[in-house]
Amino acid sequence: AQKITQTQPGMFVQEKEAVTLDCTYDTSDQSYGLFWYKQPSSGEMIFLIYQGSYDEQNATEGRYSLNFQKARKSANLVISASQLGDSAMYFCAMREGSWGNEKLTFGTGTRLTIIP
Amino acid sequence: NAGVMQNPRHLVRRRGQEARLRCSPVKGHSHVYWYRQLPEEGLKFMVYLQKENIIDESGMPKERFSAEFPKEGPSILRIQQVVRGDSAAYFCASSPLRDRANNEQFFGPGTRLTVL
Repeated sequence: AQKITQTQPGMFVQEKEAVTLDCTYDTSDQSYGLFWYKQPSSGEMIFLIYQGSYDEQNATEGRYSLNFQKARKSANLVISASQLGDSAMYFCAMREGSWGNEKLTFGTGTRLTIIP
Repeated sequence: NAGVMQNPRHLVRRRGQEARLRCSPVKGHSHVYWYRQLPEEGLKFMVYLQKENIIDESGMPKERFSAEFPKEGPSILRIQQVVRGDSAAYFCASSPLRDRANNEQFFGPGTRLTVL
C-alpha cells in the first residue's frame, strides 16, 4: 500500500483564489511527522510546513496551512490567496516513528498551475 | 549560513562510466540523506548516513551504488558502470542532531545525472 497518496496529478487555479492540495497517509506508528515541500521548475526542494502527529493545532506558516485530520489520516495543504509564483510541484512527505532516522517518504506530487 | 551544497549540479556520463556526486551538509549537521527523483516522480529514499557510518541503506540498489560520509569532507554517492536508467535527479538532505523542535530537513539543489 502507498504510504503517501496524492490523488491530484494536476490542478489549475485562478490567481488570488485559495487552493487545497490533498494528501492522505498510511502508518501504524503513533509518532510521525508530515511535511509539504514545493518544487519549482528550477528543481530545488523548498520546505513549506510541518505537522507533528501529537500537535493539537493545525500548523500554519504565512499563506500556508495544513488541515490535519488524524482520524482520516489526511494532511491537506491549503494555500490562501494564490500567486503566480505558487505554480510548482507540491510534495507531501511523512517521517515515521523511530527516533533518529529522519528519512522521508514522498507522495507522487501535485502540479499546481496558477492562472492569471 | 550556507545551506546544503551539492556538486556538480549537472553531470553527463556515458554508459559504463562512474558517477560521483558530492554533498556538503549544513555546517554542524551530522546526518545526511540521499534521495533519487526519477522524471515526473516523487523523491525516493536511498541511504541515511552519519559521520563514518551507514545507518540505513534500505533504499539503495544492491549493486553499483555506494555511499560514504567520511569524518572530514563531503558525503559521496558513487554509481559505478552507469546505465540509462540511472538518469535522475539526486538530492541530498541534512539534519542536525536529533531535536524535535527543529523538524525541517534541509535539501540541497540536487545533481541532475544524465546517462547517454
